[in-house]
Amino acid sequence: DAGVIQSPRHEVTEMGQEVTLRCKPISGHDYLFWYRQTMMRGLELLIYFNNNVPIDDSGMPEDRFSAKMPNASFSTLKIQPSEPRDSAVYFCASSLAGAVGNEQFFGPGTRLTVL
Amino acid sequence: QKEVEQNSGPLSVPEGAIASLNCTYSDRGSQSFFWYRQYSGKSPELIMFIYSNGDKEDGRFTAQLNKASQYVSLLIRDSQPSDSATYLCAVNIEPTGTASKLTFGTGTRLQVTL
Repeated sequence: DAGVIQSPRHEVTEMGQEVTLRCKPISGHDYLFWYRQTMMRGLELLIYFNNNVPIDDSGMPEDRFSAKMPNASFSTLKIQPSEPRDSAVYFCASSLAGAVGNEQFFGPGTRLTVL
Repeated sequence: QKEVEQNSGPLSVPEGAIASLNCTYSDRGSQSFFWYRQYSGKSPELIMFIYSNGDKEDGRFTAQLNKASQYVSLLIRDSQPSDSATYLCAVNIEPTGTASKLTFGTGTRLQVTL
């Protein structure tokens, strides 16, 4: 299995621009998670989906952030407009309900820099 | 009070020694507990999980859970330079078998010296 795939791996953009991060979960997994990691705040859960339905978006920082999962093999996280404080590494992870240990498999991450 | 607390370190141990990493959590309803390892510039990967009070061993790793004290730890025996990484403690309030959201600590950086 290719694992969780994220694109792009690096994104540099200017304040005010729209940013779209993409994720392909592991085939067959029914949970998908979006995290943000910074030195100051660590790894924070932004939103998670079960069977393509958003379950908990309480971690989404504000209305500038939105996430979609149109099908079982694709999800996007969009920031519009972007701000310098959004600079972080964004991880996507997927898991399978009922699996031993509920292991979440993380993608390689997208390093976002907003100038 | 943070929901999951860890000492940020760095924790420095000599090669071959035992490394002890600690984590406390605030939600008494927490059901399952996880240790992830994250190498610099890489994504987190699961090392161990534990649900019941007591010890759980897997090779050189032992996870210890004390729900009364709201405390979980990870012991690494015979530490190797390749163990140098940041170790993230994560807590899930859902029962076992339910994939749900994890709350992560900020991690402890471990350095194993030669």
